[in-house]
Amino acid sequence: AQSVTQPDIHITVSEGASLELRCNYSYGATPYLFWYVQSPGQGLQLLLKYFSGDTLVQGIKGFEAEFKRSQSSFNLRKPSVHWSDAAEYFCAVGTEDTGTASKLTFGTGTRLQVTL
Amino acid sequence: GAVVSQHPSRVICKSGTSVKIECRSLDFQATTMFWYRQFPKQSLMLMATSNEGSKATYEQGVEKDKFLINHASLTLSTLTVTSAHPEDSSFYICSARNLAGPKNIQYFGAGTRLSVL
Repeated sequence: AQSVTQPDIHITVSEGASLELRCNYSYGATPYLFWYVQSPGQGLQLLLKYFSGDTLVQGIKGFEAEFKRSQSSFNLRKPSVHWSDAAEYFCAVGTEDTGTASKLTFGTGTRLQVTL
Repeated sequence: GAVVSQHPSRVICKSGTSVKIECRSLDFQATTMFWYRQFPKQSLMLMATSNEGSKATYEQGVEKDKFLINHASLTLSTLTVTSAHPEDSSFYICSARNLAGPKNIQYFGAGTRLSVL
């Protein structure tokens, strides 16, 4: 079974500073990896995804993530954080689609706080 | 595109009553929808997978008779919490997969906060 670890429960960065959120996964085959963002009391918005190909993927809102198979990681980065980026970030791994439901397994999330 | 609407956004009910939550895909067809439960400051836990026209598949430990799921059309799935009790209070989130899009991507609703008094 797949699993996802987000080692950092809470991170605080200053506005304008760079950001890196860590994500490690465990899965026996080629993983499908996702980063979602959740604002308080809201659902999840997809930031970016990795299925195959280029290991550096670009997402919305200026985020990017790099898939490193050797490290089983998929860390999320942003060069310059904005105050509106404060939210909960979830990394998720999905199973390869076999024509049936492809489930997502989520990490425990990292809460990002941005100071002005 | 790929908008999922969830209704209601918040519901408060008395213990023993049943509550229905709707999940609609507004601009796409979804043969598969998922229902998650999220406890405060925790991650999402998959409760069940809802398939259009067939019975839902429940995760281990989730009571089928407690959480009734109906997926009657390609754009609507409902979750009914039957005889709700305070321990059922939680944030429930649905997601949907686009029939015409990549099968591995789920689009999420805004969630429903259920408070059982």
